[in-house]
Amino acid sequence: KNQVEQSPQSLIILEGKNCTLQCNYTVSPFSNLRWYKQDTGRGPVSLTIMTFSENTKSNGRYTATLDADTKQSSLHITASQLSDSASYICVVSDTNAGKSTFGDGTTLTVKP
Amino acid sequence: DAGVTQSPTHLIKTRGQQVTLRCSPKSGHDTVSWYQQALGQGPQFIFQYYEEEERQRGNFPDRFSGHQFPNYSSELNVNALLLGDSALYLCASSFMTGVFNQPQHFGDGTRLSIL
Repeated sequence: KNQVEQSPQSLIILEGKNCTLQCNYTVSPFSNLRWYKQDTGRGPVSLTIMTFSENTKSNGRYTATLDADTKQSSLHITASQLSDSASYICVVSDTNAGKSTFGDGTTLTVKP
Repeated sequence: DAGVTQSPTHLIKTRGQQVTLRCSPKSGHDTVSWYQQALGQGPQFIFQYYEEEERQRGNFPDRFSGHQFPNYSSELNVNALLLGDSALYLCASSFMTGVFNQPQHFGDGTRLSIL
């Protein structure tokens, strides 16, 4: 069964600090991995998308990494801002008609 | 350029009733997917529509049905509502290119509460 596990479940950091969120998956055969940011009461917004051949991808202060061998991904947030407070969801798709498996997300709270 | 729009934003129903949720995809997109998101959890895939047909389906009972119209908009219908159907229902659109790394664009969802 395809699974996506994210850690930690929740995280509190001070404004200006960096943090790293983890995503482990068992989805096979792998097609792509996406990170989404979901603000409270809003729909998820895509941050990055990576295919098998990509090791890292950046979007401003967000940098995602992918290790397809160990089936792990991380999302690194640099110089956090209050507006980074949100849920971050990892989504992994397989090549069987592009079915996607969602993680339960990491809830990040950035405090002043 | 309007993104994915969903209506209504909030809805309150009672057990046993039926509900219809609506979604208009982002301009240029032809594929619509529906998700159920319980509080504190990630979205769960319900089904996907392309060319007015259901192409994929998640592990949801037949009480959940859908439709896609020629203009690519879509409806999600849920019959015989249960308390457990209370959730945020998300619609996502994409362009079916056959390249599976096409990112999905989500609407802000419909918050459904069952009393």
